[in-house]
Amino acid sequence: DTAVSQTPKYLVTQMGNDKSIKCEQNLGHDTMYWYKQDSKKFLKIMFSYNNKELIINETVPNRFSPKSPDKAHLNLHINSLELGDSAVYFCASSYGDTQYFGPGTRLTVL
Amino acid sequence: AQSVTQPDIHITVSEGASLELRCNYSYGATPYLFWYVQSPGQGLQLLLKYFSGDTLVQGIKGFEAEFKRSQSSFNLRKPSVHWSDAAEYFCAVGGNSGGSNYKLTFGKGTLLTVNP
Repeated sequence: DTAVSQTPKYLVTQMGNDKSIKCEQNLGHDTMYWYKQDSKKFLKIMFSYNNKELIINETVPNRFSPKSPDKAHLNLHINSLELGDSAVYFCASSYGDTQYFGPGTRLTVL
Repeated sequence: AQSVTQPDIHITVSEGASLELRCNYSYGATPYLFWYVQSPGQGLQLLLKYFSGDTLVQGIKGFEAEFKRSQSSFNLRKPSVHWSDAAEYFCAVGGNSGGSNYKLTFGKGTLLTVNP
């Protein structure tokens, strides 16, 4: 019954590795988002996709590449991970004005 | 550019006391305003939202917020706080960036501690 789900919940990896975070929503929404929450709890939008098309890209390094295979999924792939990428990443979806968030993925880069 | 300021980083109240969390926004047009709550280790849950109409909006868990255009504020209130309300609270302002995309800008959050 989970509306917006993310996997994995925790991800610990070494610098320089490539990793992916998956997001799925079963709400029938046509827009999905990725947010990054830093160690001070500040939330900032990274990307937004509408019907599999990239709409918002907030000057995120090109090491981050979102991929939307269909309307229900928006995955985030990160190349060459850096220490500064350590954060909690939230996926969200919306149909119209209200966004619904997933539980988050805590990424730790060692 | 849109922005949100939550002046209080941390607030402590006693259980049963009233609560007001402050939020000020900057937005060029009529704002869409939201309050979200994040419990430890959890995602964000929508408490309430304002788009238009009645400036006093009711949300879940007994919360309400009042939109005051003259003060660019959208403060969150609850008359009697419960221990389970301890969490981080985020105010956000949004606007339509095309189609059904609504870009949300969040404040830095207010951590609420509830004393027994």
